[in-house]
Amino acid sequence: DVKVTQSSRYLVKRTGEKVFLECVQDMDHENMFWYRQDPGLGLRLIYFSYDVKMKEKGDIPEGYSVSREKKERFSLILESASTNQTSMYLCASRMDREDTQYFGPGTRLTVL
Amino acid sequence: GENVEQHPSTLSVQEGDSAVIKCTYSDSASNYFPWYKQELGKRPQLIIDIRSNVGEKKDQRIAVTLNKTAKHFSLHITETQPEDSAVYFCAASNPAGGFKTIFGAGTRLFVKA
Repeated sequence: DVKVTQSSRYLVKRTGEKVFLECVQDMDHENMFWYRQDPGLGLRLIYFSYDVKMKEKGDIPEGYSVSREKKERFSLILESASTNQTSMYLCASRMDREDTQYFGPGTRLTVL
Repeated sequence: GENVEQHPSTLSVQEGDSAVIKCTYSDSASNYFPWYKQELGKRPQLIIDIRSNVGEKKDQRIAVTLNKTAKHFSLHITETQPEDSAVYFCAASNPAGGFKTIFGAGTRLFVKA
């Protein structure tokens, strides 16, 4: 059974802080994704990684960066958090060229 | 760019009735169409999917239909139960052609007991 975990379920940060969101998967998946989920907008892709140290911008990368130093771990970084980054953040992983993505439980981030 | 439109945004049905959620995609190269269910406070989970070489797929009370010509696919839930209440997302992708999956905006389904 695929397991995708995220470091925090809830996080509260202040404007300007640097924020790290961690995602770990235990199924040796090559591909990993970060989405943000907002009401009425569905899931929007921030960044994805198709292999270790590889990353590609998604649809809304501004204000975010990512790190993939190990295959199982994909980190999302908010360099300087802003209130418009308050959202639910979902990580997902997938076997390369396979169909199904497996999601983590999400991190609800509030930026004050 | 590619997009997926999903309707309705909210759907309320009586227990035992059927529910239908519709999606339209723009990228004609899409060939994989999953549906995810997200219960309140939980992660999205795949409930059914369909590939472009199939027109319909059924799994107990849920079914999905695909019209490639119209670039349209739908989720059908029959004999709805209160535990079907959730947000449902459709999506479209071409796994062999890249990494992006485009999601619809979601449909919040309420099943009234």
